[in-house]
Amino acid sequence: AQSVTQLDSHVSVSEGTPVLLRCNYSSSYSPSLFWYVQHPNKGLQLLLKYTSAATLVKGINGFEAEFKKSETSFHLTKPSAHMSDAAEYFCVVNLLAGGGSQGNLIFGKGTKLSVKP
Amino acid sequence: EAGVAQSPRYKIIEKRQSVAFWCNPISGHATLYWYQQILGQGPKLLIQFQNNGVVDDSQLPKDRFSAERLKGVDSTLKIQPAKLEDSAVYLCASSPWAVNTGELFFGEGSRLTVL
Repeated sequence: AQSVTQLDSHVSVSEGTPVLLRCNYSSSYSPSLFWYVQHPNKGLQLLLKYTSAATLVKGINGFEAEFKKSETSFHLTKPSAHMSDAAEYFCVVNLLAGGGSQGNLIFGKGTKLSVKP
Repeated sequence: EAGVAQSPRYKIIEKRQSVAFWCNPISGHATLYWYQQILGQGPKLLIQFQNNGVVDDSQLPKDRFSAERLKGVDSTLKIQPAKLEDSAVYLCASSPWAVNTGELFFGEGSRLTVL
């Protein structure tokens, strides 16, 4: 079965320091992977996606993620945190890549990122 | 471009009462999804429509949940009767693609509290 595990429920960083949000996936097939961000009282927004092209994926707001098949990981990083990055981040796998006829997104439990001034 | 609209944003009801949520997707988006997000968990798919047809409702608790998208545009999700464990945020999402590419556009959600 395909799944994602977000290793930290809460990450706290200081403004200007690097961000690392960890995600491991389990998949029998070559997966499509995504990161979504959810700001308080806002809808989920796609941050970036991996669909078997380049393993290093760049997203919006300076975020990027690297697909590492050998480690079954898709960690999200940003060189320098900004106060506006405070939000909840979800790692997501798409079952479509596993042969599902219509696709279904499986969300991790989320990592809440806090940014201290 | 207008985003996905949902209403009401907040609803408080007592158990065994009924509630309905409404969603208006982005104009032209053929596919519409309803997700349930329980506190501390990621969203879970309840139902997927393509135009006015149901594509996947395998995770919808059909004894109490129902959803429709009669004209292939806006959609309603109903819960009757509600249980305490239905307290959650109900998210509507849409996409222009028939197949789930993973790129969905979400509304701000409807937060339900069941007392």
